[in-house]
Amino acid sequence: EDKVVQSPLSLVVHEGDTVTLNCSYEVTNFRSLLWYKQEKKAPTFLFMLTSSGIEKKSGRLSSILDKKELFSILNITATQTGDSAVYLCAVASSGSARQLTFGSGTQLTVLP
Amino acid sequence: EAGVAQSPRYKIIEKRQSVAFWCNPISGHATLYWYQQILGQGPKLLIQFQNNGVVDDSQLPKDRFSAERLKGVDSTLKIQPAKLEDSAVYLCASSLSGVSLHFGNGTRLTVT
Repeated sequence: EDKVVQSPLSLVVHEGDTVTLNCSYEVTNFRSLLWYKQEKKAPTFLFMLTSSGIEKKSGRLSSILDKKELFSILNITATQTGDSAVYLCAVASSGSARQLTFGSGTQLTVLP
Repeated sequence: EAGVAQSPRYKIIEKRQSVAFWCNPISGHATLYWYQQILGQGPKLLIQFQNNGVVDDSQLPKDRFSAERLKGVDSTLKIQPAKLEDSAVYLCASSLSGVSLHFGNGTRLTVT
């Protein structure tokens, strides 16, 4: 059974801090790893990673994948209160179903 | 592009009652998913459709849950009879490629 574990479960920081969120996985037939941000509504797509060692960057957010050690990190620099959300990591496996298996998420709270 | 539409937004029912949720995916998206997200957990796949055929329903509690996608567009998810542990947000998602999912805002179900 595919498994995705995120840590920490929750994190409270102050504006301007830098945070690192972790995601480790055990998946047969790994295809890609995705990060989503979930505020009160639907998860919104952040990054998709397929290759090791190549950093994806979008503004203050960046992410990298290590396929040898089976983990990914999501970094957020100069955090803002608007970054407060649950960050979900999901792994896509190949095959006919092409499912996404989600982790439980990291609840990030950024205080002013 | 219009997003994934879901209704209702909220539903409160008593245990043993029935409930139905509706989803209209993004136009042209052949793949449709129903996820269950219990508070504090990541989304869990219930069922995946490719057009109007079921690709994976291995985690759907078939004694009480059913879903259909007539004509390969809209989908409904039904619970009959509901249990307390069914309280969750039910997310519908659609995908063109089977990798990047677009989520609806979900239906929050409370079973009392």
